[in-house]
Amino acid sequence: DQQVKQNSPSLSVQEGRISILNCDYTNSMFDYFLWYKKYPAEGPTFLISISSIKDKNEDGRFTVFLNKSAKHLSLHIVPSQPGDSAVYFCAASGTGTASKLTFGTGTRLQVTL
Amino acid sequence: DSGVTQTPKHLITATGQRVTLRCSPRSGDLSVYWYQQSLDQGLQFLIQYYNGEERAKGNILERFSAQQFPDLHSELNLSSLELGDSALYFCASSVGGGPRYNEQFFGPGTRLTVL
Repeated sequence: DQQVKQNSPSLSVQEGRISILNCDYTNSMFDYFLWYKKYPAEGPTFLISISSIKDKNEDGRFTVFLNKSAKHLSLHIVPSQPGDSAVYFCAASGTGTASKLTFGTGTRLQVTL
Repeated sequence: DSGVTQTPKHLITATGQRVTLRCSPRSGDLSVYWYQQSLDQGLQFLIQYYNGEERAKGNILERFSAQQFPDLHSELNLSSLELGDSALYFCASSVGGGPRYNEQFFGPGTRLTVL
């Protein structure tokens, strides 16, 4: 049972444009969401997070939007840069039985020149 | 460099064997988490230790076990290995005892290949 879903395995965006990565979740106990970025041969690196009491969190070129009613979050990268090319994982956690960190399967972003 | 170290980087072994993966957390971090990433899968949480004690358990097989030592390094033991155990195994650490609001720092992973 995949509780966190990233339905797009890959995404290609031109440098300077906006990258939008999507994530859906099914467990209503989730109340804290994170995005991790992973380069080849390295472990995931924390990028940005959002609590369910907010609907937007911004950090430089990265913005995460949360739509609780739709159980959907998205990561916007503006402007996209070649160094952003990596695999992006969405993750979620909550309380009780949902307290562990649950990851999506990842979206591979390629930023082209 | 996250500050989390994992050894070995690569491990190739045969079915039925037993291996030990080692993780050293960032200085000051008390929690260690183990994750498994199989091909085209997300990271699956296996187990968490906090200051030497098991704190949370995920989808960890009975053939797998882990421990955290007094110096806070951790080992993941995988026994009676099967082909399906071939995967990337990541260790992560955090200061606090839970995944919520506690950023986890990941090591570079150990790639296990079972032939």
